[in-house]
Amino acid sequence: GAGVSQTPSNKVTEKGKYVELRCDPISGHTALYWYRQSLGQGPEFLIYFQGTGAADDSGLPNDRFFAVRPEGSVSTLKIQRTERGDSAVYLCASSSRVSGSMNEQFFGPGTRLTVL
Amino acid sequence: QQPVQSPQAVILREGEDAVINCSSSKALYSVHWYRQKHGEAPVFLMILLKGGEQKGHDKISASFNEKKQQSSLYLTASQLSYSGTYFCGTPRGDYKLSFGAGTTVTVRA
Repeated sequence: GAGVSQTPSNKVTEKGKYVELRCDPISGHTALYWYRQSLGQGPEFLIYFQGTGAADDSGLPNDRFFAVRPEGSVSTLKIQRTERGDSAVYLCASSSRVSGSMNEQFFGPGTRLTVL
Repeated sequence: QQPVQSPQAVILREGEDAVINCSSSKALYSVHWYRQKHGEAPVFLMILLKGGEQKGHDKISASFNEKKQQSSLYLTASQLSYSGTYFCGTPRGDYKLSFGAGTTVTVRA
């Protein structure tokens, strides 16, 4: 079966621009997570969706970051006025159950964002 | 708070063993282990849910000591395919995971 897919795989943008990163979770998975991974670090939690609603967005670094999941499947992470410090790999993961800390999370290949 | 992993890196020859440790300053009820190869997505290895529980994935096994708030991952008779960065993840609430900084394992022929 298809795994978690993310597009684009790479995104290069200029400081100040707006970007959208897309995640297509495994079909039927109600839980969706966004993480950010900097070089040499583990994934850092950004936001968690259960269905269509953002159940926890406490990991978003500031109000330039926003994510949606309007139909409970595909999610888009949106970053406004990008800064060089936003450069990282953005990972999406999905899980079949609500309690993601008790169950396997399936990760996508990530989007490598580079802000020049 | 993210868990602390040690060592940061380890180099092995095929067939050698290694241990990766993961410790937390907070009480744990589960520990996740993932492996990530360069440029790829993290891949789930196992979850340990009970104190003292041990699990295995091929020749990779792990233990979990609730009282000590730590878990160890054991790579036995390592193979070239074991190379990658290993992350432990510990729960923050019911659904979030906090990941360690990772342990990079290099297995050489």
